[in-house]
Amino acid sequence: DAKTTQPNSMESNEEEPVHLPCNHSTISGTDYIHWYRQLPSQGPEYVIHGLTSNVNNRMASLAIAEDRKSSTLILHRATLRDAAVYYCILRDGSNFGNEKLTFGTGTRLTIIP
Amino acid sequence: NAGVTQTPKFRILKIGQSMTLQCAQDMNHNYMYWYRQDPGMGLKLIYYSVGAGITDKGEVPNGYNVSRSTTEDFPLRLELAAPSQTSVYFCASSWTGGGSYEQYFGPGTRLTVT
Repeated sequence: DAKTTQPNSMESNEEEPVHLPCNHSTISGTDYIHWYRQLPSQGPEYVIHGLTSNVNNRMASLAIAEDRKSSTLILHRATLRDAAVYYCILRDGSNFGNEKLTFGTGTRLTIIP
Repeated sequence: NAGVTQTPKFRILKIGQSMTLQCAQDMNHNYMYWYRQDPGMGLKLIYYSVGAGITDKGEVPNGYNVSRSTTEDFPLRLELAAPSQTSVYFCASSWTGGGSYEQYFGPGTRLTVT
């Protein structure tokens, strides 16, 4: 499985944008980029995913580099509730119905009031 | 919808005991999963199921068994509990028909084996 590399931790001020980076230099053409986050003492929750183009939803934006070797999750205006561990995950889309996810250790995001 | 529910929330087992972790979903999802999360680590896939009657091993299946007799339920069985199975267990489900590939997670079961 292609691997991802994320910083162990990041800090950001409340109400400011946050850019969470992820490197995936061995990504294949059929790998989707997924982001999940895990709030304290909870199960992970889906944030966003993409293949080649940038994606936006109500929670965040995903910016994917042109060569797809890196991506950035953007929280436009961080709140205290966004403090969590963020996981960048590659999912192999070459097999129909393959939804297995491999979680790394993620980035622990701390929001400073 | 209740989403994905798990019982119990907490459990302490003695070495060698057995137990079943329950997981249910009411979203009519075809896929279901069991993960474990050790302290400070990411989640590791134990078993998954693509539909009733079909299960397959994940990354760390040893010491566990699963069954899927209905779409809604996916219990995880621990036989002969060992301290290495001390972990937080998460159940998840997803629907492959819509193309979103979003997995929905339950709140977890915290298991301690002493």
